[in-house]
Amino acid sequence: GQNIDQPTEMTATEGAIVQINCTYQTSGFNGLFWYQQHAGEAPTFLSYNVLDGLEEKGRFSSFLSRSKGYSYLLLKELQMKDSASYLCAVMDSNYQLIWGAGTKLIIKP
Amino acid sequence: ETGVTQTPRHLVMGMTNKKSLKCEQHLGHNAMYWYKQSAKKPLELMFVYSLEERVENNSVPSRFSPECPNSSHLFLHLHTLQPEDSALYLCASSQEAGGPHEQYFGPGTRLTVT
Repeated sequence: GQNIDQPTEMTATEGAIVQINCTYQTSGFNGLFWYQQHAGEAPTFLSYNVLDGLEEKGRFSSFLSRSKGYSYLLLKELQMKDSASYLCAVMDSNYQLIWGAGTKLIIKP
Repeated sequence: ETGVTQTPRHLVMGMTNKKSLKCEQHLGHNAMYWYKQSAKKPLELMFVYSLEERVENNSVPSRFSPECPNSSHLFLHLHTLQPEDSALYLCASSQEAGGPHEQYFGPGTRLTVT
C-alpha cells in the first residue's frame, strides 16, 4: 500500500532550527510537496521537490532523496508564527496526492 | 474575492437534514477537489473534477454527492449523514488535474453532524 510517515508533534524554541522528516512508500513518484496549515485555516503551499537535493526558499528549505524515499523540511530562525501543522504529500504515478497526517510544530519563546 | 472561497465556514446538521457546501475558485484553474480532513488523520481525497467532469471518486458513500456546474464552482451535497462524517471539508483547485501542479485550498467548512 501507499504510506507517508511523519512525526505527530515536535517542539522547538524561537530562533532555533527544526527539521521535520517525511518518509514515503508510494506507487510511482511525481514529486513531493510540503504544505503549512495554521489551526483553522487552509493548507498553503511551501515547496515542491521532484529531483534529489536541497531547495532553499528564505528561512525554509526542503530536501529530497528519492532512493531513500525520504524528505525533510528545514525551518531556520524560528518565529512564533511558524507554529502550525506541516503536511507532507507525495504525488504518485497517477498524479494523485498521497498525504501524511501532518506534524504539529509548537514554538516556545 | 481572490483564491478559493468556501461557504459556509461552519455547519451543524442533524442526520436527517440535507445541506450543501459551496466552493468557488477565482484562479482560472481547470481542476477542483473535495477533501475530508479529520483530526490527526491524513487528508482524504473524495472527488476530483477536471473541466467540470468527474475524474476521481475515491469510494465515497453515496450520502455525499458532488456537483460541478462550471470550472469555477464546486458543490458537495449532503444528506442523511452520520456522526463520523463530522470533519473539516476542504476544497482545492489546481491548474490541471493530471500533472505536478500545486493545489490551492479554501479555508474549509467545519461540519458537525448531530
